[in-house]
Amino acid sequence: EAGVAQSPRYKIIEKRQSVAFWCNPISGHATLYWYQQILGQGPKLLIQFQNNGVVDDSQLPKDRFSAERLKGVDSTLKIQPAKLEDSAVYLCASSRLGGNTGELFFGEGSRLTVL
Amino acid sequence: TQLLEQSPQFLSIQEGENLTVYCNSSSVFSSLQWYRQEPGEGPVLLVTVVTGGEVKKLKRLTFQFGDARKDSSLHITAAQPGDTGLYLCAGRATSGTYKYIFGTGTRLKVLA
Repeated sequence: EAGVAQSPRYKIIEKRQSVAFWCNPISGHATLYWYQQILGQGPKLLIQFQNNGVVDDSQLPKDRFSAERLKGVDSTLKIQPAKLEDSAVYLCASSRLGGNTGELFFGEGSRLTVL
Repeated sequence: TQLLEQSPQFLSIQEGENLTVYCNSSSVFSSLQWYRQEPGEGPVLLVTVVTGGEVKKLKRLTFQFGDARKDSSLHITAAQPGDTGLYLCAGRATSGTYKYIFGTGTRLKVLA
């Protein structure tokens, strides 16, 4: 089974520019997560989708970050305008719906550097 | 806001030594997972513990979930260089939304 696909792997932009990251989850996984991971720290949940609906976006900086999962499959995370502190790895994860032992399957991440 | 604090933050040990990593919170979780992450990759699940007091073993790794489901520990026996990585605990919120909160991480380096 194919894993979680993310692109691009690396992106370097100037502050105030915009950037978009794409994620294609494992086929059949209803739940999709976007996490932000600052170097050396644990991932911080930005947004969680269940099918094409938002379950939790309480920690998403909505003045600059947006995300969508229009058809309940792949997802896009956008940052506009970017700030220096947005430099991080953006991880996408997916999981099957249901069960108390649900495993999160992660992509390799998209590393963003804001100059 | 549910928070998971891990300790120690960094650990550098010699091959063959034992170590324990702690994951603590003031919140109750319905389940807790441990992941290992290597540079340039996403975290990979090691184990899930569900019941308070539960102990699970995975070869040289022993995982325990606290009785009150607020804390967990990971013990590695006779560490090997292949155990090097970032260890992350992740708690599933009890709200039923399948929301996972990750800990602050423990970076382990095992020297040959």
